[in-house]
Amino acid sequence: ETGVTQTPRHLVMGMTNKKSLKCEQHLGHNAMYWYKQSAKKPLELMFVYNFKEQTENNSVPSRFSPECPNSSHLFLHLHTLQPEDSALYLCASSQEVKGAKVSFFGQGTRLTVV
Amino acid sequence: AQSVTQLGSHVSVSEGALVLLRCNYSSSVPPYLFWYVQYPNQGLQLLLKYTTGATLVKGINGFEAEFKKSETSFHLTKPSAHMSDAAEYFCAVSDDSGYSTLTFGKGTMLLVSP
Repeated sequence: ETGVTQTPRHLVMGMTNKKSLKCEQHLGHNAMYWYKQSAKKPLELMFVYNFKEQTENNSVPSRFSPECPNSSHLFLHLHTLQPEDSALYLCASSQEVKGAKVSFFGQGTRLTVV
Repeated sequence: AQSVTQLGSHVSVSEGALVLLRCNYSSSVPPYLFWYVQYPNQGLQLLLKYTTGATLVKGINGFEAEFKKSETSFHLTKPSAHMSDAAEYFCAVSDDSGYSTLTFGKGTMLLVSP
């Protein structure tokens, strides 16, 4: 238990569906992140929120839409996805520790787009 | 820009043998360095981190890593492998510049045979 909880753990969706991934952190951190982990590729940082404000968007397609209503919750809204979007989506949170932002990860949502 | 290179996508060792996972980084400023471990269908768990001070860092599960600035390396070692060490290991770098985020290597899968 890392203090970061992601739901659902598994999701299968069609290309025309709309779904949302949820992340909740119980650590009092002030930054939250979405990562995409695909087979044989490095972890890809998608979005960063600091104090609920989006500070980074790494050229992510608009079919992925993040939402951070407060510093404890982060959502990733999905619509009209493609099969290549199938991956493990990881949420993380961080708080400065002696100047280094140690990130704590959730267990991920395994997304399959059919 | 920062980058991380992990040499070897797969490393195989026998139970009881030395584990050595290699990581080289590139950073224009003093780095913070991390090793994370990922078990199947799980998120990433912090093994250890280097921020400042002592260059030999001890982490959980008997792992340690040494920061060598002259070699821009942060290799992960464990004197004696255990079957439960089989997992994927990720090296990551960040720095102290504002909203710095983690840059991950591609990961090394550690296989442990009886």
